[in-house]
Amino acid sequence: EIVMTQSPVTLSVSPGERATLSCRASQNVRVNFAWYQQKPGQAPRLLIYGASTRATGIPARFSGSGSGTEFTLTISSLQSEDFAVYYCQQYSDWPLTFGGGAKVEIK
Amino acid sequence: EMQLVESGGGLVQPGGSLRLSCSVSGFTVNNNYLTWVRQVPGKGLEWVSVIYPGGNTYYADSVKGRFTISRDNSKNTVDLQMNILKPEDTAVYYCAKGLYNDYWGQGTLVTVSS
Repeated sequence: EIVMTQSPVTLSVSPGERATLSCRASQNVRVNFAWYQQKPGQAPRLLIYGASTRATGIPARFSGSGSGTEFTLTISSLQSEDFAVYYCQQYSDWPLTFGGGAKVEIK
Repeated sequence: EMQLVESGGGLVQPGGSLRLSCSVSGFTVNNNYLTWVRQVPGKGLEWVSVIYPGGNTYYADSVKGRFTISRDNSKNTVDLQMNILKPEDTAVYYCAKGLYNDYWGQGTLVTVSS
């Protein structure tokens, strides 16, 4: 099983600042990689797939990069609605696996 | 508009069975990957199972041999039959479209407890 490790677990950021989240895969997943955002009481929302392609309707302040085993999600200027939990996922090999999540909270 | 609506959750005793259903609109289940993902309240996401357009199925090790995913093309639904349920299967179960999941249902809560 491919283990996905996210860091940091919690990130405290002020509105308007930049946030950078990382995810490491225990094996090469190429670009078969996605990021999701989840707010309390809601289903997750797809942000990024293919490691760097924004999903439909996702603002340009969200960007993804990386390939292989190291991936990054950057939120260029945090808005109030961006405070949430973020998950990474690999869909390269079975079983598909998610990271443990990273909470972006207001500083 | 693409929509997924789960149903069938509830309280069941350990060792019991439950069948979840995901009703889909706006796309056809037989032409898409359909996935089940679960989440223990307050915890992270766990991928459970997928059914391919061609009918192949895959499962997480934690549910293999106990859960079965299937689809009904005529009803445009995807089901998850869950047998020999354990307390650790307690979670909100989401159905979602795709391998990377671009559309999700609202989830249905399954509680396994005596």
